[in-house]
Amino acid sequence: EIVLTQSPATLSLSPGERATLSCRASQSVTNYLAWYQQKPGQAPRLLIFDSSNRATGIPARFSGSGSGTGFTLTISSLEAEDFAVYYCQQRSKWPFTFGPGTKVDIK
Amino acid sequence: QVQLVESGGGVVQPGRSLRLSCAASGFTFISFGIHWVRQAPGKGLEWVAVISYDETNKYYADSVKGRFTISRDNSKNTVYLQMNSLRAEDTAVYYCTKDHLAGDPAGYFDYWGQGTLVTVSS
Repeated sequence: EIVLTQSPATLSLSPGERATLSCRASQSVTNYLAWYQQKPGQAPRLLIFDSSNRATGIPARFSGSGSGTGFTLTISSLEAEDFAVYYCQQRSKWPFTFGPGTKVDIK
Repeated sequence: QVQLVESGGGVVQPGRSLRLSCAASGFTFISFGIHWVRQAPGKGLEWVAVISYDETNKYYADSVKGRFTISRDNSKNTVYLQMNSLRAEDTAVYYCTKDHLAGDPAGYFDYWGQGTLVTVSS
């Protein structure tokens, strides 16, 4: 199966700062990668699909990039509601797999 | 609006069975694949199974293959996950999720239920 690794495990930032999260795949997933946000006690929410496409209703401060084995989620200016755990997920090959997550917390 | 409501979770002994249900509304149910994704307490997300819109295709994670069965009743807008031979490592919140594209499962999850907790313990 395709293994996804995410870095860093935890990112401590202040509101207004830029967040850069990384996801690396054990083999190429072309651009078949998504990002999800999960807050405590809530279900995940789809943010980005196919590496760079924002899902419906997702603010423009969220952007995704990358292809092959390396991907990045960027939050241009953190707002209070953005402090959460972020997961990447690939749909290139069965079984679909998720990364272990990056926690973005308040510095 | 799209709603997915899971039910059927609870505490069950190892080796026993449980059936989860996912009732869907707010979209054309018969057009979309439905997935189950689980999350062990304090852990990350694990995709479990998917059923295509017309039930012709079903796929499972290796960790549940042969023990779990996914099915759907399009007349009731409901998907089921029959879980047999349960193990302690199956303890998790189980989420029902909708595939983001109509037709054969494409593999992104654009709407999620609130989840139902399954605890496997003696």
